[in-house]
Amino acid sequence: EAQVTQNPRYLITVTGKKLTVTCSQNMNHEYMSWYRQDPGLGLRQIYYSMNVEVTDKGDVPEGYKVSRKEKRNFPLILESPSPNQTSLYFCASSSGHIYEQYFGPGTRLTVT
Amino acid sequence: GQQVMQIPQYQHVQEGEDFTTYCNSSTTLSNIQWYKQRPGGHPVFLIQLVKSGEVKKQKRLTFQFGEAKKNSSLHITATQTTDVGTYFCAGRGGYQKVTFGTGTKLQVIP
Repeated sequence: EAQVTQNPRYLITVTGKKLTVTCSQNMNHEYMSWYRQDPGLGLRQIYYSMNVEVTDKGDVPEGYKVSRKEKRNFPLILESPSPNQTSLYFCASSSGHIYEQYFGPGTRLTVT
Repeated sequence: GQQVMQIPQYQHVQEGEDFTTYCNSSTTLSNIQWYKQRPGGHPVFLIQLVKSGEVKKQKRLTFQFGEAKKNSSLHITATQTTDVGTYFCAGRGGYQKVTFGTGTKLQVIP
């Protein structure tokens, strides 16, 4: 089954404790992206990747890091999480940046 | 940077009534996509529009892309309870970044 998976689905952590949210897709997609969703603000792009080892900033990259060492995986790293990063995070993939995106189930992160 | 606004933010309709959400970009778009997110779910792709003035239909849903490629709309005829959710437009400018609209949350009253 074609899908995008994210782990963990829920995470409560404390300020400053480094964390990684994993994202994996089994569709051999080149384009992958991370979004955060906050009430009233819609989905805002954090980082995207056009292919392995090619990443670029989205609209809200501050406080986040990504890597794309393998085509199927695109982890999101928060080196020092802060409460303003409490949000619902979605990973998405597509066969190219002009095509439809397939979203993962989401990761709800709370930083206290 | 590119901004994409959607109106209204919320809409409550009686089942059977029509519904429209509008999407407006600050810049010309290469294409626009529409997604639906059910409560507690993730966004799911509905359609993509590419050409100026393009109109596409999916059963009770009609999608339009403006002549200037800066605005778009989604119209649902005779809403049903299954239409409940948040509808997002997503526009791509000249680069690889995709900008999502703020979304319209639709509630259908039976």
